[in-house]
Amino acid sequence: QLQLQESGSRLVKPSQTLSLTCAVSGGSMGNSGYTWGWVRQPPGEGLQWIGYIRESGRTDYNPSLKSRVTISLDRSRNLFSLELTSATAADTALYYCARGSVTYNYNLDVWGQGTTVTVS
Amino acid sequence: EIVLTQSPGTLSLSPGERATLSCRASQSFSTAYLAWFQHKPGQAPRLLIYGASSRPPGIPDRFSGSGSGTDFTLSINRLEPEDSAVYYCHQSAFSPLSFGQGTKVEI
Repeated sequence: QLQLQESGSRLVKPSQTLSLTCAVSGGSMGNSGYTWGWVRQPPGEGLQWIGYIRESGRTDYNPSLKSRVTISLDRSRNLFSLELTSATAADTALYYCARGSVTYNYNLDVWGQGTTVTVS
Repeated sequence: EIVLTQSPGTLSLSPGERATLSCRASQSFSTAYLAWFQHKPGQAPRLLIYGASSRPPGIPDRFSGSGSGTDFTLSINRLEPEDSAVYYCHQSAFSPLSFGQGTKVEI
């Protein structure tokens, strides 16, 4: 069964880059029909879509973050990554990585447990 | 950008009752791209409904979705204490993808 696990810096200084990695286990990222993305939840708020990358390498990002966000894929290492530059306190959140599956119209069917990142 | 507005904000019900959650979109889109997620504290969100009314394997049939255009509904029959959670609707029809603000269900 596919599992996702986030890792990365839990504490980021303002103006620095927030970097997270999502390790994929129990399956391969090489198959078509999936997207690999990130969602976050600021303290006391709801879910916010950050963006995703397709197996083709095409990306789509939330315009509110577009100038600062990069999602990349490393199929050889079975992982994908998130970089958010020029971090501010507003980027403090619980970050989830997730897979979108064509089986479910590319809705997010597998999620990591989440990792809390504080910008301070 | 499609804005999803969920109501009510909080729903307090007793075990065995039925919950009806609403999600209204700022513009119409295909039902294929409306999903519902259940989110419990300390856990990852779980996909409950996709395509407005389809359930992934393992989701109890107490959960059902309906609607089209701009108005969508999640119904939870025969509520159980474990159904306490925040429920989010989500659209993936147009970029940027978006979530509603959530409805908290208290049992």
